[in-house]
Amino acid sequence: NAGVTQTPKFRILKIGQSMTLQCAQDMNHNYMYWYRQDPGMGLKLIYYSVGAGITDKGEVPNGYNVSRSTTEDFPLRLELAAPSQTSVYFCASSRRTGGWTSVSTDTQYFGPGTRLTVL
Amino acid sequence: ILNVEQSPQSLHVQEGDSTNFTCSFPSSNFYALHWYRWETAKSPEALFVMTLNGDEKKKGRISATLNTKEGYSYLYIKGSQPEDSATYLCAFNTNAGKSTFGDGTTLTVKP
Repeated sequence: NAGVTQTPKFRILKIGQSMTLQCAQDMNHNYMYWYRQDPGMGLKLIYYSVGAGITDKGEVPNGYNVSRSTTEDFPLRLELAAPSQTSVYFCASSRRTGGWTSVSTDTQYFGPGTRLTVL
Repeated sequence: ILNVEQSPQSLHVQEGDSTNFTCSFPSSNFYALHWYRWETAKSPEALFVMTLNGDEKKKGRISATLNTKEGYSYLYIKGSQPEDSATYLCAFNTNAGKSTFGDGTTLTVKP
């Protein structure tokens, strides 16, 4: 299994450009997440999805859009990039089985990250 | 917005010292509490997941406890080694699937 893959690894955008960060997982996980990590800070949740066709906002959704047309893919779209979106973006996935007895309940597996700079 | 707070923000210890960190989280809508280890230039990796009040987990020299009623978890490292240097994150997951991370505790272990 490749686990969680993200592309690209690095990207430089000009202000006002748009792009899509790709995320895919091959573990048949139902939950997927997008986070951003700013310097000196932890992970802030941008959007998450509990299954194909279902997405919801996290803490910092402004300026981003997501879609979840398949179980495997969860792309993050940046429209009209701004310098404030300079960050490292991590995608993660997990399997929630619905009970409290599974040892691996909700453990998130992370992709390698995408470092985005907006100039 | 769910408040997940970790303390201290950073910690410098000598090799062989034992140490502990705290994660505090809301006591409502609790589903699971996770600890992750995050090394520089890598992605976070799972250490523990705890779901029941009073849970205790152990992996080698690292252990964790959970108190869902008062909303806190402790992570303990016994006999710290330089390879334990990393940022330790806790994550609070709700019934609805939302995941909120703390800002982490960065541990530096000096040889």
